[in-house]
Amino acid sequence: AQKITQTQPGMFVQEKEAVTLDCTYDTSDPSYGLFWYKQPSSGEMIFLIYQGSYDQQNATEGRYSLNFQKARKSANLVISASQLGDSAMYFCAMRAGYSSASKIIFGSGTRLSIRP
Amino acid sequence: NAGVTQTPKFQVLKTGQSMTLQCAQDMNHEYMSWYRQDPGMGLRLIHYSVGAGITDQGEVPNGYNVSRSTTEDFPLRLLSAAPSQTSVYFCASTARGGMNTGELFFGEGSRLTVL
Repeated sequence: AQKITQTQPGMFVQEKEAVTLDCTYDTSDPSYGLFWYKQPSSGEMIFLIYQGSYDQQNATEGRYSLNFQKARKSANLVISASQLGDSAMYFCAMRAGYSSASKIIFGSGTRLSIRP
Repeated sequence: NAGVTQTPKFQVLKTGQSMTLQCAQDMNHEYMSWYRQDPGMGLRLIHYSVGAGITDQGEVPNGYNVSRSTTEDFPLRLLSAAPSQTSVYFCASTARGGMNTGELFFGEGSRLTVL
């Protein structure tokens, strides 16, 4: 069975500091994809970054990077130079397998608050 | 440029009533899914579909029915609403195969309250 775990219910970070949000996963499928989404207080879900299990390098998208450690089954999100607008809920998600039938499940989320 | 459209955005039901949450996407995505979001629980998968005529259960399917008669539409039915179904519901879709990463495109959510 596949599982996503986010162990940090909430985090407070000073503006302009870097922050790491933890995510661990479990799957027996060698092919999988990992995602991070942001949910601001307005409620919409915003896709941030994707990492495939066979990707050789860690994914990066602007200030977001994914620290992918396959042996540890972790896919932590790193936000560099945090901004007030980064305050939101952050969800890690996984798709186990690349078939058209592969479902996508989410972790319980981390609420990130940026202090000015 | 509609993307994924959910209706209604807000609904209040009494225990035992039935209703359907509508979801439509105009991106020709094969995969569609329904999630519910409760405080502190993240998003939990209710049902999903990988194409017209094909549906499957997710993590929390009890109390919900779905069907997929067309590629565009994926309605979620509550046959007899219960207070435990009070939640925010999200519909999401994605393309599969090729160079697609499979990222989900979400609707705006539907807030359901069952009294």
